[in-house]
Parts: sequence; C-alpha cells; structure tokens
Amino acid sequence: AQSVTQLGSHVSVSEGALVLLRCNYSSSVPPYLFWYVQYPNQGLQLLLKYTSAATLVKGINGFEAEFKKSETSFHLTKPSAHMSDAAEYFCAVSDRSASKIIFGSGTRLSIRP
Amino acid sequence: DAGVIQSPRHEVTEMGQEVTLRCKPISGHNSLFWYRQTMMRGLELLIYFNNNVPIDDSGMPEDRFSAKMPNASFSTLKIQPSEPRDSAVYFCASDVNNYGYTFGSGTRLTVV
Repeated sequence: AQSVTQLGSHVSVSEGALVLLRCNYSSSVPPYLFWYVQYPNQGLQLLLKYTSAATLVKGINGFEAEFKKSETSFHLTKPSAHMSDAAEYFCAVSDRSASKIIFGSGTRLSIRP
Repeated sequence: DAGVIQSPRHEVTEMGQEVTLRCKPISGHNSLFWYRQTMMRGLELLIYFNNNVPIDDSGMPEDRFSAKMPNASFSTLKIQPSEPRDSAVYFCASDVNNYGYTFGSGTRLTVV
C-alpha cells in the first residue's frame, strides 16, 4: 500500500523567506510523486511531478522538490515566498502501474507581510 | 481546452432529495475520478473509472451514492437520498497515462 505524510498542517512564513513544505512517502515500488496546490474555492492544480528522470524537479511558480530515496522524502521548496503563494498544498503518490493517486492531508501555507 | 467541467458549481438541497453532480472530462483523457473534500476528512477518493469502466468504488460511502460514466465525455455522481452529512465539495478529475490529474472547479453541495 502507498501513503504520504505531510508534516505540519499549517506553515507560516514571511514574504521573501524560504518556503519548505515537508512530505514523506511510503511505497513498496518505485513511485510517482506529485505536489498539487489548491487556492480558495478552486480545484487542485498540478505543481510538479517526479517520475525518476531527475531527482530535482522544477515546477510552476518557482517551486521545486527533491526526491530523496534514502529519506523517503519529497519536500517542496521555494527560495522566496510571495503573498500569492498562500494556499493549501497537497503531496501525493501513485503506483506507476496504476491510475490511482493517494493524497496527503494537506498543508496550509500562510504568508506574513 | 476548457479543462474539466463540473456542474453545478453550487447546490443546496433538502435532506431526502436526490442530487446529481455532473462532470465532463478533458477530451482524450481515459481516467476519471470523483473525490469528496471536507474539513474533517480531507480529500477522499470515492470512485474512479478507466476507459468508462468503474475500477475501484471502495470509497463510495454507502448505497446512497452511485456513479456512472456512459461515455468518454460524461460522468455523473448521484446521491439518493441526500443527508446533511453529505455536505462537502465534490471534485471530478481526469487523467491520461498517469500524467497527473486535472481537477475541475468542484461542486459545493449543501444539504439542509
């Protein structure tokens, strides 16, 4: 069975500061890993996806994530936070042979002026 | 591409009434997913289809919920009879070859 754990349901950073959202996964097979963002009253939007081509994955809006097999982690980072980054972020995992994606519980990111 | 289209955006209904939520996936996508999102339980996968065939409906809460996909461009999620605890945002998403889901904007359901 596959699962993801997002550490911290709420993260608050100052504008211009580093954003770090943590995600650990569990999978018995090499996984696909995803980060999604959800703005208020909207559906989820794909930020980036890891498929094994490269361990450092760059996504939209300046976000990136690094796959670390030894730590079973896929943390999301952004060097400098913008007010517009305030949203809910979801880490997710899938089995490469299956269509189903398993989502984490989400981390709400707040940005302080 | 218009993306995944869900209707209605908002639905308010009385307990006991039938509710039908609709979804049009992205053309060419062969997988379709129905999710429910609440504050208490987060995102729950209700059911998903591959090539219009239901693959996994283990997340459907009870017999009051049913989903159909009569063709590649349309799916419905029906709740009959509806109850207040069904109040949530229901999302439809579509995908092709495990690329990564495209979500619709959701239907906010309120059962009073």
